[in-house]
Amino acid sequence: DTGVSQNPRHKITKRGQNVTFRCDPISEHNRLYWYRQTLGQGPEFLTYFQNEAQLEKSRLLSDRFSAERPKGSFSTLEIQRTEQGDSAMYLCASSLSGENSPLHFGNGTRLTVT
Amino acid sequence: KNEVEQSPQNLTAQEGEFITINCSYSVGISALHWLQQHPGGGIVSLFMLSSGKKKHGRLIATINIQEKHSSLHITASHPRDSAVYICAVPEYGNKLVFGAGTILRVKS
Repeated sequence: DTGVSQNPRHKITKRGQNVTFRCDPISEHNRLYWYRQTLGQGPEFLTYFQNEAQLEKSRLLSDRFSAERPKGSFSTLEIQRTEQGDSAMYLCASSLSGENSPLHFGNGTRLTVT
Repeated sequence: KNEVEQSPQNLTAQEGEFITINCSYSVGISALHWLQQHPGGGIVSLFMLSSGKKKHGRLIATINIQEKHSSLHITASHPRDSAVYICAVPEYGNKLVFGAGTILRVKS
């Protein structure tokens, strides 16, 4: 098992364009989380899935953001009509169910909106 | 919502020094996470602890549930320990609330 994989590692896009990121969790993990991290801050929760069900979305996730996990395996995070304020590191993490199951993070996708 | 405070925000140490990073939180929890983030962005889980103390190599994490406080210690620090150290507590389930992180730089 190679751990949590995120693609791409870096994405530079022009304001107004749409971008999509992918996360492949550890295969047996049924929980998948998306976090966003800006410079000098800790990660902030965006959304999470239990299998294919999206159980919670943060108010940080505006209508321009959508996340899917169609088969309960990989997940995609799409940002439509990107804005400069969307520039951040987008982190994915996965875990087994259970409150104290360790989280495993991917290396993140760094988005720069010009 | 749980508020997580870390101190110090920045820490510079000489190689070999003993390092302590502190974390306080506002609402009682079942477990606290210590994480390490290197400049490339990837986050590695160091510890998850709910009571007492855990040790892994030169890293020691302690938690005082009553005082809502945890510390991460690094003994005999080395330049490769330079990273951002983040503590995080669960809001519910595994949804975590993160501290802002402590930027550690160990000079040789």
